Amino acid sequence: IAGITQAPTSQILAAGRRMTLRCTQDMRHNAMYWYRQDLGLGLRLIHYSNTAGTTGKGEVPDGYSVSRANTDDFPLTLASAVPSQTSVYFCASSRGDNTEAFFGQGTRLTVV
Amino acid sequence: GQNIDQPTEMTATEGAIVQINCTYQTSGFNGLFWYQQHAGEAPTFLSYNVLDGLEEKGRFSSFLSRSKGYSYLLLKELQMKDSASYLCAVMDSNYQLIWGAGTKLIIKP
Repeated sequence: IAGITQAPTSQILAAGRRMTLRCTQDMRHNAMYWYRQDLGLGLRLIHYSNTAGTTGKGEVPDGYSVSRANTDDFPLTLASAVPSQTSVYFCASSRGDNTEAFFGQGTRLTVV
Repeated sequence: GQNIDQPTEMTATEGAIVQINCTYQTSGFNGLFWYQQHAGEAPTFLSYNVLDGLEEKGRFSSFLSRSKGYSYLLLKELQMKDSASYLCAVMDSNYQLIWGAGTKLIIKP
């Protein structure tokens, strides 16, 4: 692996189901982020982690949870999916503070 | 509230120059980023400005005026592969990125 990898690439999910989006980076970056991107809107931060063992809420955290057990992995869980969570989800990482973020290829999630 | 404004869409001709503007109002400022995003792909980093002035990187340049809350991305010698969305993002006082909705740039031959 080189960089940041997300899985799955796309998913169709029935409303009410639980789903975990996976994100792994091999750059030893301290900070990791989950964004959603919807047409006509900027990237919106869901949750973030400044370092392993810590997490924080972003702009749109409701309905989502994260964990950061180690430096490399930052999974995003939808406890009970709703149609409004249909979106493209991007995971990103950075060394921290005012440094550039590197993005995964995205997960296109459709909740029906 | 925090706000980033950029034009929704711009059209330019191959070989020409285009300037994409970004204005911002944020709680604090720790730098401004420009990213490029091709359709269906992830954003990729283009430039970072934290001090006033122009940063040049090949065909791309980015300018910042902190007093005016203003930045622009200048693309020279446009190529068809430059057709993409360009995202402006400001890092606020909490080191969180606030993103604009992006400018879709269409390049015509």
